Amino acid sequence: AQSVSQHNHHVILSEAASLELGCNYSYGGTVNLFWYVQYPGQHLQLLLKYFSGDPLVKGIKGFEAEFIKSKFSFNLRKPSVQWSDTAEYFCAVNARNYGQNFVFGPGTRLSVLP
Amino acid sequence: KAGVTQTPRYLIKTRGQQVTLSCSPISGHRSVSWYQQTPGQGLQFLFEYFSETQRNKGNFPGRFSGRQFSNSRSEMNVSTLELGDSALYLCASSPLVSGGGGVDTQYFGPGTRLTVL
Repeated sequence: AQSVSQHNHHVILSEAASLELGCNYSYGGTVNLFWYVQYPGQHLQLLLKYFSGDPLVKGIKGFEAEFIKSKFSFNLRKPSVQWSDTAEYFCAVNARNYGQNFVFGPGTRLSVLP
Repeated sequence: KAGVTQTPRYLIKTRGQQVTLSCSPISGHRSVSWYQQTPGQGLQFLFEYFSETQRNKGNFPGRFSGRQFSNSRSEMNVSTLELGDSALYLCASSPLVSGGGGVDTQYFGPGTRLTVL
């Protein structure tokens, strides 16, 4: 069975600080990887995704993530956070050829202080 | 295109009742998935439908069921409600073009907040 872990439950940063949110998964086969964000009072939105190719993927709002297959990791990064990045971030994994069954991590709450 | 819509947005029921939630996917999307989101368990996959067929099912009791109509709209039903069923139920649609093992991005709706008293 697949599982996804996210390293931090709650991260607090000041504006302009750099961000890295960890995501690790356990599954031995080929996976598709996603980061979703849920802003306060809003629904889940896709930040970025990795299906294949360049392991460094860029998403919206200046976010990027790097897939490291040997470490089963897909960490999310942003060089300089803004107050508007305050949200909950979810890593999700889907095993190839397994249908639309996404396994989500528990989420990391990011609070950016102005 | 309009996003995924879910109705109702809020629902209050009592234990033992049943409830039906509705989801309209993004136009052209044929895959619809349902998730339960709670503070304790996070986001958990319920089931996925493609072309009116259930393709995948999560680890939930049989009280949770769903269906998909020919226009891709989907409903989820929970019978004999329990207090623990209180949650945000999310629907997601995908622009999958085939029903094989393909995977594609899921686009989420705002959810239906179910409270069981």
